Amino acid sequence: EAQVTQNPRYLITVTGKKLTVTCSQNMNHEYMSWYRQDPGLGLRQIYYSMNVEVTDKGDVPEGYKVSRKEKRNFPLILESPSPNQTSLYFCASSFAGHGGANVLTFGAGSRLTVL
Amino acid sequence: EDQVTQSPEALRLQEGESSSLNCSYTVSGLRGLFWYRQDPGKGPEFLFTLYSAGEEKEKERLKATLTKKESFLHITAPKPEDSATYLCAVSGAGSYQLTFGKGTKLSVIP
Repeated sequence: EAQVTQNPRYLITVTGKKLTVTCSQNMNHEYMSWYRQDPGLGLRQIYYSMNVEVTDKGDVPEGYKVSRKEKRNFPLILESPSPNQTSLYFCASSFAGHGGANVLTFGAGSRLTVL
Repeated sequence: EDQVTQSPEALRLQEGESSSLNCSYTVSGLRGLFWYRQDPGKGPEFLFTLYSAGEEKEKERLKATLTKKESFLHITAPKPEDSATYLCAVSGAGSYQLTFGKGTKLSVIP
């Protein structure tokens, strides 16, 4: 089954404790992206990657890091989480047709709470 | 900067009561306009892509249309299972980003 898999789905952590949210896709997509979704703010892009070793900032990159060492994986790293990073996170992927983002397939989401 | 505004924020319909959701956008060179459906606690699911003004797409009770400034998602004779948040997004020329609106939460009452 074609899918984007995120882990963990739920996480409660404390301020300053480094964490990684993994994302893996099995569709051979070039483009991958991370979004956060907050009430009243909608979906906002954190980082995206056009292909292996190519990443770029989205609209809200502060406090996050990403890497793209393999085509299928795009982990999101919070080096020192803070309470304002409490949110619902989505990973998404697509083919990089038309020179940019195409139809995105989203993961099921990772709900993160930072105390 | 690309911008997407969706209205209304929330909409309650009786089962069978047709209506439309609006998505107004500003973008430098529209590459594509996307509609997604999102159920509570789940990731958005793709519905339609529209590329140029005048284009229309249909799927079951949903029909999406596009003009140069806005898109409409028409819902004909909705059922309770159509209840969800509907998201609109645009991709502009020269950008690899997808800009999303805040969504319209649709509730269809039996």
